[in-house]
Amino acid sequence: GAGVSQSPSNKVTEKGKDVELRCDPISGHTALYWYRQSLGQGLEFLIYFQGNSAPDKSGLPSDRFSAERTGGSVSTLTIQRTQQEDSAVYLCASSLDGTLDEQYFGPGTRLTVT
Amino acid sequence: KNQVEQSPQSLIILEGKNCTLQCNYTVSPFSNLRWYKQDTGRGPVSLTIMTFSENTKSNGRYTATLDADTKQSSLHITASQLSDSASYICVVTRNSGNTPLVFGKGTRLSVIA
Repeated sequence: GAGVSQSPSNKVTEKGKDVELRCDPISGHTALYWYRQSLGQGLEFLIYFQGNSAPDKSGLPSDRFSAERTGGSVSTLTIQRTQQEDSAVYLCASSLDGTLDEQYFGPGTRLTVT
Repeated sequence: KNQVEQSPQSLIILEGKNCTLQCNYTVSPFSNLRWYKQDTGRGPVSLTIMTFSENTKSNGRYTATLDADTKQSSLHITASQLSDSASYICVVTRNSGNTPLVFGKGTRLSVIA
């Protein structure tokens, strides 16, 4: 079946602009995660959605970052007033039912803020 | 502080040789530990997952070990192949609290002919 997909694959934006990154999880997966991977750095947890529960936003670096998950499926990560330090690969993952289950990652969106 | 430390940062080995990657963690409460392989430009792919009571788990030429007492894990790769060139990431899942998953920075492995 189809895996996790993300769009766009690459995004170049000017400093100060807003961007939206999209994630389509595997159908039927109730858990969805967003991560950020900066050049030469490890994966950084951003936010975690589990079913209808309130999302775990503990990893969001600032209030410029927000995410939504509509209808328990597609998720959008929004970065407002982008800064150069926001440049990174943003990875989305989904799992069947929570953090104890296998996570399947998408290919990522490479964001470059100029 | 919840941290995952991996070593070495990078490693170059000859094709056919074995290697061992290390992961030390201070994450609590501990739920499980996973090793991922991440090819350049791709998302991570799971290799193994181990819970507190498991000491070793194999997946083909990959064997992971876990010592929950010393909070150490290793990933052993046997008879390396060129396609093993990738970053290997250690991830610890917490049972509760914020930041449910803590990632190491990875070990960059290069297998050369």
